[in-house]
Amino acid sequence: GENVEQHPSTLSVQEGDSAVIKCTYSDSASNYFPWYKQELGKRPQLIIDIRSNVGEKKDQRIAVTLNKTAKHFSLHITETQPEDSAVYFCAASAQVDSSYKLIFGSGTRLLVRP
Amino acid sequence: DAGVIQSPRHEVTEMGQEVTLRCKPISGHDYLFWYRQTMMRGLELLIYFNNNVPIDDSGMPEDRFSAKMPNASFSTLKIQPSEPRDSAVYFCASSPHSVEQYFGPGTRLTVT
Repeated sequence: GENVEQHPSTLSVQEGDSAVIKCTYSDSASNYFPWYKQELGKRPQLIIDIRSNVGEKKDQRIAVTLNKTAKHFSLHITETQPEDSAVYFCAASAQVDSSYKLIFGSGTRLLVRP
Repeated sequence: DAGVIQSPRHEVTEMGQEVTLRCKPISGHDYLFWYRQTMMRGLELLIYFNNNVPIDDSGMPEDRFSAKMPNASFSTLKIQPSEPRDSAVYFCASSPHSVEQYFGPGTRLTVT
């Protein structure tokens, strides 16, 4: 089955700097890669996703890149702000019949220092 | 839209008791997922349904866990009997097509 590894487990950056979180996956059939943000005591919320037919996707200060050959994908946050502090989860999913099954990474705790 | 609704938000129970967690998905969403989140194991998929039918329950840890979806607007996750190691946050999520999943607020379960 699919296995997703996420690094680093914790990341501390100065406000205004960039943050990069990396994930690798094992199942070459995976074709959907979402990123979720979870603030303390809150639910995970989808912030951006990418499908396998696209190499990069941007949404304001957030971007995700995908390298299918190497089976890794990354989240990039530019101009970080204190409100970006949270735990970020990557996930990978392969379509089976008409269903998708998300396998999550272990999470990265991002701290943005003011 | 109220989003995914879960109840109760917090549950404290004694070992051996039955626990029932409830979820109301977003109207019109065909898929419903139950996850468990712990510090040690992260976010784990327990089971998911498509049009009220269980599709994959391979993540259900033991026979003590069971889940039902009697109609499109309601699902339950039951643990009987509960054990201290079941303590976790349980999330329900729904999806219109199983790709973009929307999580509920979660139920924090503590088994003493």
